[in-house]
Amino acid sequence: QVQLQESGPGLVKPSETLSLTCTVSDGSISSYIWSWIRQPPGKGLEWIGYIFYSGSTNYNPSLKSRVTISVDTSKNQFSLKLSSVTAADTAVYYCARVGGNGDNPREAFDVWGQGTMVTVSS
Amino acid sequence: DIVMTQSPDSLAVSLGERATINCKSSQSVLYSSNNQNCLAWYQQKPGQPPKLLIYWASTRESGVPDRFSGSGSGTDFTLTISSLQAEDVAVYYCQQYYLTPYTFGQGTKLEIK
Repeated sequence: QVQLQESGPGLVKPSETLSLTCTVSDGSISSYIWSWIRQPPGKGLEWIGYIFYSGSTNYNPSLKSRVTISVDTSKNQFSLKLSSVTAADTAVYYCARVGGNGDNPREAFDVWGQGTMVTVSS
Repeated sequence: DIVMTQSPDSLAVSLGERATINCKSSQSVLYSSNNQNCLAWYQQKPGQPPKLLIYWASTRESGVPDRFSGSGSGTDFTLTISSLQAEDVAVYYCQQYYLTPYTFGQGTKLEIK
């Protein structure tokens, strides 16, 4: 079964850029669609965006001006960059796989990473 | 954006009894290409990521106990746990994947009475 693992700094200063990586193991990053989702402490889930293995992306308009998702198939990884962060970006960040066969994003998130807590504070 | 509204916000059910959680979308999530509703249910236990239970509104994910079932179509959906077990204590979320931005309900906290 494919496994996902998020990695990156747990503390980011306000106005700086949050950078996280999701490593895909026991499976190939190719032929699937990959997503980032976040959850502020004690709150609900917010979809950030997704990326096809080919590199095509779709972002949440609420974050679009600050978000970049990229994929590195040679490393079996995909990444999230969120610029100009504020305290409102403090959350657990999850990477997840979009189910199905990778050619249609209209699928549920069937595999999730354990999540990584990112705190925005000076 | 499609707004997903769950009810109730919290629910206490006795062990062995039925638990029912509702989810309403602000517009239909019926995907005409396959005539399926783009609606998923997730279970989240403290300190854990969400776990997919149900997709296409009523298809149980592999390995999910058959006491979990999903129903509904269009804008109104239900997650039913037929006989509550202690390990089912969690927060449950519905999610639409019909239109981006994909959106989740606010969550329903399920406890033992």
